[in-house]
Amino acid sequence: DVKVTQSSRYLVKRTGEKVFLECVQDMDHENMFWYRQDPGLGLRLIYFSYDVKMKEKGDIPEGYSVSREKKERFSLILESASTNQTSMYLCASSSPLGLRRSEAFFGQGTRLTVV
Amino acid sequence: EDQVTQSPEALRLQEGESSSLNCSYTVSGLRGLFWYRQDPGKGPEFLFTLYSAGEEKEKERLKATLTKKESFLHITAPKPEDSATYLCAVRGDSWGKLQFGAGTQVVVTP
Repeated sequence: DVKVTQSSRYLVKRTGEKVFLECVQDMDHENMFWYRQDPGLGLRLIYFSYDVKMKEKGDIPEGYSVSREKKERFSLILESASTNQTSMYLCASSSPLGLRRSEAFFGQGTRLTVV
Repeated sequence: EDQVTQSPEALRLQEGESSSLNCSYTVSGLRGLFWYRQDPGKGPEFLFTLYSAGEEKEKERLKATLTKKESFLHITAPKPEDSATYLCAVRGDSWGKLQFGAGTQVVVTP
C-alpha cells in the first residue's frame, strides 16, 4: 500500500512563528504536492516538486516556501505564520506525468490553527 | 486554465436510493480524470482514474464514467457508509498539476 505520512495531525502555532510541516512518502514517487483545503474553496495547490531540489509554485504560494532535499521528503514552511493560514494542509505524491498510473495519493492531513 | 465544476454541492439520499454525481471539466490535453472520497478530517482516498472518453470503472457500489466534457460517479443502492465528500480532479498537459473541483457532499440515511 502507498503510504504518505504527515508529521502532525493537529498543530497550534502563534502568529509570527516559523512553522514546518513535514511529509514522507514510501512509493519512490518523483512528484510531491502541498495543498490547502478550506470550506467552500476546495483544494488549492501551494507548491509542487517534480524532483529533488526542484519546485514549482502552485496557485497560492505567497507566505509559503518548500524544501525537498531527499526524494521521499517534502517540507512546507510558513515563514511567519498568520491567522489566514489556519487551514487543513494536505501532502500528496504521484508518479510522473506520462506514466499510465499517475494518480496522486494523499496523507492524512494536518489541521493547523494559528492564534 | 484547467477548470472543474462538480454538482450538486450536496446530496441527501435514503439508503438504497441510487443517484449520480456530475463533474464537468475543461482541460488542455486530458491526461487523466480522478475521483476521490474524503471523510471528515481525513485526506482524500483515491477511487478511480479515467483516461479516455467511453471508459468506465467500477468498485463495489460506485461506477465512474467519462465523456469528452464530463464524468459521472454513479452510486447504486448506497449504504450509510458511503456518506462522504466525493472529489473530482483532472490532470492536463501542465507539468502534472491536479486541478480539483469543490466536491459533492453525500449523506446517506438509513
